[in-house]
Amino acid sequence: AQTVTQSQPEMSVQEAETVTLSCTYDTSESDYYLFWYKQPPSRQMILVIRQEAYKQQNATENRFSVNFQKAAKSFSLKISDSQLGDAAMYFCAYEPVNNAGNMLTFGGGTRLMVKP
Amino acid sequence: EAQVTQNPRYLITVTGKKLTVTCSQNMNHEYMSWYRQDPGLGLRQIYYSMNVEVTDKGDVPEGYKVSRKEKRNFPLILESPSPNQTSLYFCASSLRQGLHNSPLHFGNGTRLTVT
Repeated sequence: AQTVTQSQPEMSVQEAETVTLSCTYDTSESDYYLFWYKQPPSRQMILVIRQEAYKQQNATENRFSVNFQKAAKSFSLKISDSQLGDAAMYFCAYEPVNNAGNMLTFGGGTRLMVKP
Repeated sequence: EAQVTQNPRYLITVTGKKLTVTCSQNMNHEYMSWYRQDPGLGLRQIYYSMNVEVTDKGDVPEGYKVSRKEKRNFPLILESPSPNQTSLYFCASSLRQGLHNSPLHFGNGTRLTVT
């Protein structure tokens, strides 16, 4: 079974600075997909970014980018120019290619605080 | 507006008193699922449904039931709730299989407390 681990329960960053959230995963598959979700206090689950394992190029969405290290099974999220609105829980998630249950395997989450 | 609607947003109940959390989506999605979110554990899938009358267990199905009589609705039933089912519950839907192409749409969550 796949597992996803987020080793930082909490992180903080100064507004306008850069922060990196860590995620590691364990799988025997060679092809899969990885995601980062944001959950603000409103509880809404917002897809931030996704990465296909077969792509070497790291995904980028505006201020959000990932560092995908397939051999190390690492998938970190970098937030540049942090804003107050970035304060939230962040979840890393894994999807296998053959996903009969349409299920995501989530990490335990990292709470990000942004200091003004 | 395309959305997944779950109710209630908050629910406090006592051990053993049957309850239902409703979930409805207006996007004609085939797949629907329920997750529970617990501190340090992230979200874990309880049950999923690929289509009407087709449901199957996820990772943590014990103590829960679901039904899919209509495509838009996917209620979560706790026949005899216990305190270890105190959690934040999310309903989610997607158009088809393969979340990399057909993203999950989440409801806004139901905070359940069982005393």
